[in-house]
Amino acid sequence: AQSVTQPDIHITVSEGASLELRCNYSYGATPYLFWYVQSPGQGLQLLLKYFSGDTLVQGIKGFEAEFKRSQSSFNLRKPSVHWSDAAEYFCAVEHNNDMRFGAGTRLTVKP
Amino acid sequence: GAGVSQSPSNKVTEKGKDVELRCDPISGHTALYWYRQRLGQGLEFLIYFQGNSAPDKSGLPSDRFSAERTGESVSTLTIQRTQQEDSAVYLCASSLSSGSYNEQFFGPGTRLTVL
Repeated sequence: AQSVTQPDIHITVSEGASLELRCNYSYGATPYLFWYVQSPGQGLQLLLKYFSGDTLVQGIKGFEAEFKRSQSSFNLRKPSVHWSDAAEYFCAVEHNNDMRFGAGTRLTVKP
Repeated sequence: GAGVSQSPSNKVTEKGKDVELRCDPISGHTALYWYRQRLGQGLEFLIYFQGNSAPDKSGLPSDRFSAERTGESVSTLTIQRTQQEDSAVYLCASSLSSGSYNEQFFGPGTRLTVL
């Protein structure tokens, strides 16, 4: 079965700085890949997804992610972080309706 | 409603009691999913419903867990004889149909605390 690893439990960045959240997956074929954000007291919101085609995908709120098959990675990036980006971020992989989530990375944004 | 709703938002119960958690999906969404999120962990798939098909129960951790859904409407997740390890946030999601091409929309979750 597929699995997802998010190596960083907690990341702190300054407002305006760039951000990269790491995600590695384990799966025999190319899975469907997702990034979700969970703000305090809110449900999960889909940021972006990758199914096929262009390996650089654009999402909402200025986020993007790049699928790298050779590294089994799907890292999330944002060039300039805003204070409102403070939240928990989850990477997920899906195959045949079986969706597996990573443990999440908590993002703190310093003023 | 506009989104997926869940009730209650918080539930505190004593060990050994039964609890029922409710999910109201987005109207017209045929697929409904339940997940469990333990503190500091990712989401754990529990069960999903697709229309009138038999549900996929492969993620349920024990026979104390069960879920029902009538048609394409409300779903109830029941945990019998709760244990402390059942403490978690239980998330519900719905989508137009199962499959990756249809985004799952998540509710705010029910935080369950078993004392």
